[in-house]
Amino acid sequence: DIQMTQSPSSLPASLGERVTISCRASQGISNNLNWYQQKPDGTIKPLIYYTSNLQSGVPSRFSGSGSGTDYSLTISSLEPEDFAMYYCQQDASFPFTFGSGTKLEIK
Amino acid sequence: EIQLQESGPGLVKPSQSLSLTCSVTGYTITSGYDWSWIRKFPGNKMEWMGYISYSGSTNYNPSLKSRISITRDTSKNQFFLQLNSVTTEDTATYYCARSGYYSGVDYWGQGVMVTVSS
Repeated sequence: DIQMTQSPSSLPASLGERVTISCRASQGISNNLNWYQQKPDGTIKPLIYYTSNLQSGVPSRFSGSGSGTDYSLTISSLEPEDFAMYYCQQDASFPFTFGSGTKLEIK
Repeated sequence: EIQLQESGPGLVKPSQSLSLTCSVTGYTITSGYDWSWIRKFPGNKMEWMGYISYSGSTNYNPSLKSRISITRDTSKNQFFLQLNSVTTEDTATYYCARSGYYSGVDYWGQGVMVTVSS
């Protein structure tokens, strides 16, 4: 299985701040990397697919980049609704696997 | 609007089978995409359990291969998860989801919490 190492596990930040979450795969995944946001009520929202493509309805302050084994999610200016859990996930090779999550918290 | 909704018992006894239903509205499951079950354990770890494709083929996580079955009822536009011989380690929130090549999961159910306990 491809292991996904996500960092940091916790990220305190302030409104308006720019933040970046990283995800490293144990082998190359050819940009097959997706990002999701989970709110405290358990609902999961898709954010980005295939490294850098925004899912429908996702604000442009979210962006993704990367290649090979290293990928990142950037939020350019934090809004109150952005404080949540974030997960990366690879679908290059089944079983598809997730990172361990990053909790974005208000500083 | 595409919606997925999980249903099933919230409590299952150890050694029994866990059975969940995902009801899909707004899209016909035989039209395209893969239809998956994904779970999130207490403590945030997430696991992709398996999927059934629009054509009916299945693919299961090898970690579950001997215990899992994903089937469907096309007349009801539903797909199902059965997980046999559950233990307390199967306590999790279970999500059904739609995914495709180069699209990731683009629709998620709201999730159903299942506790395995005697």
